[in-house]
Amino acid sequence: DAMVIQNPRYQVTQFGKPVTLSCSQTLNHNVMYWYQQKSSQAPKLLFHYYDKDFNNEADTPDNFQSRRPNTSFCFLDIRSPGLGDAAMYLCATSRITGGANTEAFFGQGTRLTVV
Amino acid sequence: GENVEQHPSTLSVQEGDSAVIKCTYSDSASNYFPWYKQELGKRPQLIIDIRSNVGEKKDQRIAVTLNKTAKHFSLHITETQPEDSAVYFCAASADGNFGNEKLTFGTGTRLTIIP
Repeated sequence: DAMVIQNPRYQVTQFGKPVTLSCSQTLNHNVMYWYQQKSSQAPKLLFHYYDKDFNNEADTPDNFQSRRPNTSFCFLDIRSPGLGDAAMYLCATSRITGGANTEAFFGQGTRLTVV
Repeated sequence: GENVEQHPSTLSVQEGDSAVIKCTYSDSASNYFPWYKQELGKRPQLIIDIRSNVGEKKDQRIAVTLNKTAKHFSLHITETQPEDSAVYFCAASADGNFGNEKLTFGTGTRLTIIP
């Protein structure tokens, strides 16, 4: 059973047209991450939530925003997508127990194409 | 913030031989070190992890060693098989506070097993 679900799997958007990617989890994990992965590169962390605490990476463009309305859902908003934002976007979750981080589970990813 | 370096970027190994991938990290607060395997077009999946209170962990053909003093850890795959061909990522995170719980990935190693 899928535990971290991303929708859609493939998204095509026009240059400059806002787009939202979604992630949901059934694991009740307290940490949710958004990563950007371009071809043949490592996943690059954009931001993460630890419960409701939002942590933005210093080099994440302002064009990228995130929302976590509840434990189960997290959204990635790209306000004005550029050609350079075409990538695979991976959502992941993990549980911090007693302060210690544990295995991160990844969704299948959303492949974003900007035309 | 944490910086994780990974070597080599590509590795070709004859089937049946061993493969070793090495990572170094910068943040002495990091205490959780997972390794992920990513097959082409698929999500990263955890293959083994280690915490800073142990120096070595083994799971069948896979082992990870950690040298906390030197801030490096390594993945060892023995008796390699064609299905081991994939991209491998190391990662590091610290305890859950002040955003240090985030999972930072290394740059990846493309492992090819030659039949």
